[in-house]
Amino acid sequence: SQWGEENLQALSIQEGEDVTMNCSYKTYTTVVHWYRQDSGRGPALIILIRSNEREKRSGRLRATLDTSSQSSSLSITAAQCEDTAVYFCATSSSSFSKLVFGQGTSLSVVP
Amino acid sequence: EAAVTQSPRSKVAVTGGKVTLSCHQTNNHDYMYWYRQDTGHGLRLIHYSYVADSTEKGDIPDGYKASRPSQENFSLILELASLSQTAVYFCASSDATIQAPLFGEGTRLSVL
Repeated sequence: SQWGEENLQALSIQEGEDVTMNCSYKTYTTVVHWYRQDSGRGPALIILIRSNEREKRSGRLRATLDTSSQSSSLSITAAQCEDTAVYFCATSSSSFSKLVFGQGTSLSVVP
Repeated sequence: EAAVTQSPRSKVAVTGGKVTLSCHQTNNHDYMYWYRQDTGHGLRLIHYSYVADSTEKGDIPDGYKASRPSQENFSLILELASLSQTAVYFCASSDATIQAPLFGEGTRLSVL
């Protein structure tokens, strides 16, 4: 399997809190994608970080990538109720984006 | 607007029957994919294609066939549907530049 420890988990936080989700992978990767999936919808890309980047920001999102430890994280600052979704990391090891998805994190943000 | 459209959105099939899931993209993307998602799990790649009239096996191809008759269309075929193929199926497309697949809304398949 591409993945090390299972990263399926459920998180529940209050609105306004910060949250970090982690994933680790076992094989060489050039790109880590972070997707969010709303209930009943397809996954949607929210941030992409390449192996030559250590950090990437997009609005309230921050992704990090540590190729030496083969891990990536996604942080959301000041979470809002509309951030409630399942978040997946996915890796690609070639120029052709045959993605391998992790198990995902179900995030619930409550008022 | 970039789009990946799947049909049907849901389907109930009988064990042993043939099922065809269709996908159409208007993104002018070369790459198309079929993924499967089981409840509470991530997506797993079944088949993919990087050019019309050619398909490749993904990580879990057994029990599935794929067809790419044109750049825009990509079908997933279950010749003999089985209970274990009950899942949500996602089609996606991407290009070589961005390399981030754009997903459709999914097809919920129940095999009874």
